Amino acid sequence: QEKVQQSPESLIVPEGAMVSLNCSFSDSASQSIWWYQQHPGKGPKALISIFSNGNKKEGRLTVYLNRASLHVSLHIKDSQPSDSAVYLCAVSMASSSFSKLVFGQGTSLSVVP
Amino acid sequence: EAAVTQSPRNKVAVTGGKVTLSCNQTNNHNNMYWYRQDTGHGLRLIHYSYGAGSTEKGDIPDGYKASRPSQENFSLILELATPSQTSVYFCASGDAGRKNTLYFGAGTRLSVL
Repeated sequence: QEKVQQSPESLIVPEGAMVSLNCSFSDSASQSIWWYQQHPGKGPKALISIFSNGNKKEGRLTVYLNRASLHVSLHIKDSQPSDSAVYLCAVSMASSSFSKLVFGQGTSLSVVP
Repeated sequence: EAAVTQSPRNKVAVTGGKVTLSCNQTNNHNNMYWYRQDTGHGLRLIHYSYGAGSTEKGDIPDGYKASRPSQENFSLILELATPSQTSVYFCASGDAGRKNTLYFGAGTRLSVL
C-alpha cells in the first residue's frame, strides 16, 4: 500500500512570502503526483500535477519531483491570503488503469496580510 | 468546469440506522469514487466504479456498500451505521488514465449518534 507523508502539518506565513510544501511517497513506480487545494467546507480542487522527474511551473506554482529520493515539493511564489487552505499531496498508483489516488494527510497554510 | 453534486450536505443518523449518500456528476466521466476524510488520515478510498453497474472495493470498504445505477449517479450505503463512521464523505469523478484530474463534490458531513 502506497504511503504518502506531508510536512509540515501547518504553516503560517506573511503575505508575499514564498511557501514550500513537502511530500514523500513510498512507491518509486508511482505514475504521477498531484497537488490539490482544499478550502474550508469545500471539496479538494486539483492545482498541478507532475509525471516526469524534474520541475514544472504554472503561474505562481512550481512543483519539483525527485523519484530517486521519493520526494516532491510544491512552491507558491508571492503568497496571497486567498492561498490560505489545506494542500493535499496525492500519488497515483502505477498499476492502475484508472486514476486511483492515495492522499497524504495535508498541510494547512495560513497567509496573513 | 466539471460538476459533482452531493446530497445531503449534512446528515445526522442514529446508530444501527441505514444511511444513503448520493452523488451526481454531469460530465460523463466513467470513473466515480467515494472517499472519507478524517483528521490525521487525509482522504481514504472507500469504493469506486468504472461505469454503470460496476462497483469495486477501495482501501477501507468494511461497513459500506456502493451502487452505480447509471453513468451519472453513484451512491454510498451504510446499512448499519456506527459512530466510527462519523466523518466527511467526498464523491469524485474522473476519466481513466494517469493524466486525468479528479473532480470532487462539496462533501457530506455525517454524524452517527
